[in-house]
Amino acid sequence: DADVTQTPRNRITKTGKRIMLECSQTKGHDRMYWYRQDPGLGLRLIYYSFDVKDINKGEISDGYSVSRQAQAKFSLSLESAIPNQTALYFCATRDRNNEQFFGPGTRLTVL
Amino acid sequence: QQQVKQSPQSLIVQKGGISIINCAYENTAFDYFPWYQQFPGKGPALLIAIRPDVSEKKEGRFTISFNKSAKQFSLHIMDSQPGDSATYFCAALSQTTDSWGKLQFGAGTQVVVTP
Repeated sequence: DADVTQTPRNRITKTGKRIMLECSQTKGHDRMYWYRQDPGLGLRLIYYSFDVKDINKGEISDGYSVSRQAQAKFSLSLESAIPNQTALYFCATRDRNNEQFFGPGTRLTVL
Repeated sequence: QQQVKQSPQSLIVQKGGISIINCAYENTAFDYFPWYQQFPGKGPALLIAIRPDVSEKKEGRFTISFNKSAKQFSLHIMDSQPGDSATYFCAALSQTTDSWGKLQFGAGTQVVVTP
């Protein structure tokens, strides 16, 4: 059962293009997160949100923006993609016990 | 810089052996220490977690050992099986100072269990 879904799963794009990664959840959680994963660097937080009116920058937000369209939807945008944004991107939600639930990820390649 | 340092980066263990992954932190406000397991093509999933009021927590073949004075914690996988082959991330959170639940992740350890 896919409680947290991400689309697309894979994307190849060119430098300068605008890209949107989408995340949907059926867990009913308020808190949602976007991470990127790079080999040897673990998971780094890009943005996080408590609700549609509350958006916060994480440790590596430069070059990214987000939109919380509803409690269940949280999108990540790269306004002008660059090669060093090539990475694996994960969306996650959090429950009241601090457990985070991750989506399956989007593998993004910027040429 | 990473607030949680994880080692080793990778390890290979034979079936039936013990896998040990270590993590260290500096922020004494951290009070929740989860481990996440990630299989190829999947997102990480919570494996086991510990709070600093206990020194050890065991769930099946997985054990967390916690040393508060040394600011270190480790994951032990006993009787390792090929199905345990995955990447493991340690993480830390200060529940008292961070209501957002922003986990600080280690760099990850790729574990390969050979038959």
